[in-house]
Amino acid sequence: DTAVSQTPKYLVTQMGNDKSIKCEQNLGHDTMYWYKQDSKKFLKIMFSYNNKELIINETVPNRFSPKSPDKAHLNLHINSLELGDSAVYFCASSQAGDSYEQYFGPGTRLTVT
Amino acid sequence: GNSVTQMEGPVTLSEEAFLTINCTYTATGYPSLFWYVQYPGEGLQLLLKATKADDKGSNKGFEATYRKETTSFHLEKGSVQVSDSAVYFCALSADYKLSFGAGTTVTVRA
Repeated sequence: DTAVSQTPKYLVTQMGNDKSIKCEQNLGHDTMYWYKQDSKKFLKIMFSYNNKELIINETVPNRFSPKSPDKAHLNLHINSLELGDSAVYFCASSQAGDSYEQYFGPGTRLTVT
Repeated sequence: GNSVTQMEGPVTLSEEAFLTINCTYTATGYPSLFWYVQYPGEGLQLLLKATKADDKGSNKGFEATYRKETTSFHLEKGSVQVSDSAVYFCALSADYKLSFGAGTTVTVRA
């Protein structure tokens, strides 16, 4: 049983295209996240949803739009892709509260050419 | 704001050597502290955590103690194995988000 799953695992696309990444968790958590990991392995939070409501929106270009249709899903849509968007994107989930660990998906490697 | 400073790597060790990775943090209030590990090609996994001062987290032979007076959460393992080769991230949790250190790549040679 995969706790946090993401699709696709790899995504190769051209500049200017629009793409989506999907995330699902079966842990019953009410909080979900998107993180970006750059080529130097640095991880930074992008968005966080709690009970389908956006609670964290870091300084991310508005080409990135998250959407949470229900508590188990958090998708990420990216418009007008740029070279600098190339990275690994991780979805995570947790129970609400800072003392709870976050469970991470396997990541989606996005390559923009 | 909240931040984590982590010992830079890469770190290369021989099997059975002692490993320590330094981690210090800056935060308002009392965050929870975590060590996550990322094996090649995989997502992050929780290694251990501590939620209040003087707590010690431990797992798979790794340990770290939450030191409020020195704002530190150093990771240690007494005898590493080749299978411990990975990237290790120190992180703090506050305000519903994790703030990560830069990660330390550890390679253990047989």
